[in-house]
Amino acid sequence: EDKVVQSPLSLVVHEGDTVTLNCSYEVTNFRSLLWYKQEKKAPTFLFMLTSSGIEKKSGRLSSILDKKELFSILNITATQTGDSAVYLCAVALDDKIIFGKGTRLHILP
Amino acid sequence: DSGVTQTPKHLITATGQRVTLRCSPRSGDLSVYWYQQSLDQGLQFLIQYYNGEERAKGNILERFSAQQFPDLHSELNLSSLELGDSALYFCASSSVHMAGTQYFGPGTRLTVL
Repeated sequence: EDKVVQSPLSLVVHEGDTVTLNCSYEVTNFRSLLWYKQEKKAPTFLFMLTSSGIEKKSGRLSSILDKKELFSILNITATQTGDSAVYLCAVALDDKIIFGKGTRLHILP
Repeated sequence: DSGVTQTPKHLITATGQRVTLRCSPRSGDLSVYWYQQSLDQGLQFLIQYYNGEERAKGNILERFSAQQFPDLHSELNLSSLELGDSALYFCASSSVHMAGTQYFGPGTRLTVL
């Protein structure tokens, strides 16, 4: 059965800390892995990863995919209170998209 | 603003009823995806259309159906509603099939009483 597992489920850190969110998957017909940020509304796109070992970066956020070990990480450096959200990992297959349960990140001021 | 629009924003109805949710994709996007998000199940992929044709199917119940029209807008029909259908329903669009960035609409919150 295809599955996407995110860890940790929840994370509380202080502003300025660096966090690493994990996403592992077991799927067939992998096309891409996507990261989204969801606050109190619709998910917003962060990254799409298709190739192993190539880091995608946007400001303080970065992500990398390991297609051999079947996982991805999302790093956030110098966290800010505005980073508080649920971070969703999804894997797009040929015929469906599977989301993980998300990691709830809370940044303390 | 993602450019994806969904109507209505909120919908409250009774068990056994039927509702239609509407989605207009971003200009130029051919793919439309429907998702259901509930507290206990997280975000679940329902169905995807590409240029009017159904291309992928997820955990969509038989009581639910969808279609994409020639102008590329899409409708999700939910019938014989049950209490457990109460959820946030998102539509997303992308330019290609099962790839590329998906842009999410603001969602329709359905409450079944």
